[in-house]
Amino acid sequence: DAGVIQSPRHEVTEMGQEVTLRCKPISGHNSLFWYRQTMMRGLELLIYFNNNVPIDDSGMPEDRFSAKMPNASFSTLKIQPSEPRDSAVYFCASSFGRGPSYEQYFGPGTRLTVT
Amino acid sequence: AQSVTQLDSQVPVFEEAPVELRCNYSSSVSVYLFWYVQYPNQGLQLLLKYLSGSTLVKGINGFEAEFNKSQTSFHLRKPSVHISDTAEYFCAVRESTGTASKLTFGTGTRLQVTL
Repeated sequence: DAGVIQSPRHEVTEMGQEVTLRCKPISGHNSLFWYRQTMMRGLELLIYFNNNVPIDDSGMPEDRFSAKMPNASFSTLKIQPSEPRDSAVYFCASSFGRGPSYEQYFGPGTRLTVT
Repeated sequence: AQSVTQLDSQVPVFEEAPVELRCNYSSSVSVYLFWYVQYPNQGLQLLLKYLSGSTLVKGINGFEAEFNKSQTSFHLRKPSVHISDTAEYFCAVRESTGTASKLTFGTGTRLQVTL
């Protein structure tokens, strides 16, 4: 199994540009999560999907952030326009099942730097 | 709302010494508890989890943790650490009721193992 795949692994962009982060969950998993990790705020859940439907997006910081899951094998997190404070590592995770006991498997992350 | 506190941001220890990483949680309902490890430039990997049953949980790489409901703690221990255990360790909690999948993480403890 290839695990959760994220691309790109590193992204450097200028303030005001649009950024799109991509995630391919583990085949057969039906829940997908987007997290952001920073030194100041630690790991934060941004949004999660179950069966391609957004369930909780209360962690999305503002309207500049949007996430989609058009099918079971692909999700995107978009920031438009990007700002320097968006610099962070963004993780995607997936799990099988929606219940609280199911383990989440994390991807390697995308390190975003906005200058 | 649930929360997790990891009291130690950094724990330095010599190789082959024992170590304990502390984690305390707060929740108004029953919870599931998790420890994740993050190696440099990698995603999070599950070390162990407590769902129910025995309060002493054994995980990978020789780690174990003990759930203490009265003290609302879930401390991680290893009797003899190795250089390769140098990493960031995260405690996480999820409510066990309903189908909520939101995982709340602590701020992490950096374990630094030296010779």
